[in-house]
Amino acid sequence: RKEVEQDPGPFNVPEGATVAFNCTYSNSASQSFFWYRQDCRKEPKLLMSVYSSGNEDGRFTAQLNRASQYISLLIRDSKLSDSATYLCVVKNSWGKLQFGAGTQVVVTP
Amino acid sequence: ETGVTQSPTHLIKTRGQQVTLRCSSQSGHNTVSWYQQALGQGPQFIFQYYREEENGRGNFPPRFSGLQFPNYSSELNVNALELDDSALYLCASSLATGAQYNEQFFGPGTRLTVL
Repeated sequence: RKEVEQDPGPFNVPEGATVAFNCTYSNSASQSFFWYRQDCRKEPKLLMSVYSSGNEDGRFTAQLNRASQYISLLIRDSKLSDSATYLCVVKNSWGKLQFGAGTQVVVTP
Repeated sequence: ETGVTQSPTHLIKTRGQQVTLRCSSQSGHNTVSWYQQALGQGPQFIFQYYREEENGRGNFPPRFSGLQFPNYSSELNVNALELDDSALYLCASSLATGAQYNEQFFGPGTRLTVL
């Protein structure tokens, strides 16, 4: 079983709609959680950290469920520029980042 | 731009050859991490260097080795290249401050093709 698992998608989303997807992690001792965004053939960039109480950054909302060991990302009012691969990232107990394979989101006009 | 640079941008090698990839970290950063990203996969942690010492290693064989220099730039060396080594190699720099998390800033990567 992979340490971090994501639905690869693609999630095809009409512009202006809401999309949400999850990521599960296997190590209950994981300390920190993040969402990164990666555009095609580009480097990953930090989108947002995920806090235990949940957090928002503009149109993006991240949630953490430690009991069920998953995190989620919700994008409201999707823009064409939101088309990307979203990588779920978990900081493991020895302090290193583990990436999921990514969820592809395609926002269509 | 993150200020992290990598060279070369693309590289083609044949099986059995050796390769050296280079990374210049963002100014002021003292930690460099290297990742391998195969097509359709997320980045996989290779190793991390902090102040010229290896500070953690992922599940990669010893033919993957690295260095960090006094200016905090870094090299990734891969010996005896195999076809499966074809991937995007990313380096990420950060400043270790003792905080729980120090954001890693990625370079644009080196795309290695092994024939």
